[in-house]
Amino acid sequence: EPEVTQTPSHQVTQMGQEVILRCVPISNHLYFYWYRQILGQKVEFLVSFYNNEISEKSEIFDDQFSVERPDGSNFTLKIRSTKLEDSAMYFCASRGGQGNQPQHFGDGTRLSIL
Amino acid sequence: KQEVTQIPAALSVPEGENLVLNCSFTDSAIYNLQWFRQDPGKGLTSLLLIQSSQREQTSGRLNASLDKSSGRSTLYIAASQPGDSATYLCAASEGTYKYIFGTGTRLKVLA
Repeated sequence: EPEVTQTPSHQVTQMGQEVILRCVPISNHLYFYWYRQILGQKVEFLVSFYNNEISEKSEIFDDQFSVERPDGSNFTLKIRSTKLEDSAMYFCASRGGQGNQPQHFGDGTRLSIL
Repeated sequence: KQEVTQIPAALSVPEGENLVLNCSFTDSAIYNLQWFRQDPGKGLTSLLLIQSSQREQTSGRLNASLDKSSGRSTLYIAASQPGDSATYLCAASEGTYKYIFGTGTRLKVLA
């Protein structure tokens, strides 16, 4: 069964550094998402992406964050200048084009900011 | 603003029991609702998706129901097994673009 894959599985970065989290969504999916989960807390929506542009973003997704689909397969989340509070598990998800399709999630990238 | 709550926060049952996990949401104008399973340190595995026009969905030993008017969904697990031990999350969709997640129910099934 097709899967959403995320790399790396664990990223350790110094505060203030830029980080790029990578995702390969399921190949025929059209909607792409990033969520995060701070340890012990809820999964929180960050951003959705459709037709090469952001469809919706949350208050968390400020100017430090950006998303890109640089080619036909990858979907990336960039954090420009990381802060300690960005430490979390980041999940990528994708969904097919029809309205009744479930979101499929990757295994996540654990981001640790030192 | 949509809020999703799950009760109980944790549940421990002996193997073989049937159990019900509850999810409630404040805004009934949802597009769909999805139940997930999360194993420790892992991603989210989709279990069941219920469209707003549906009342229930079944997959194997799992049955999810949806009552939009009361803002509730339940996940019924029949004949629980130790392998069912995980955290179960429900997420209510607002339109196509966003899921709001509950805090989850941590289930432990004892052998």
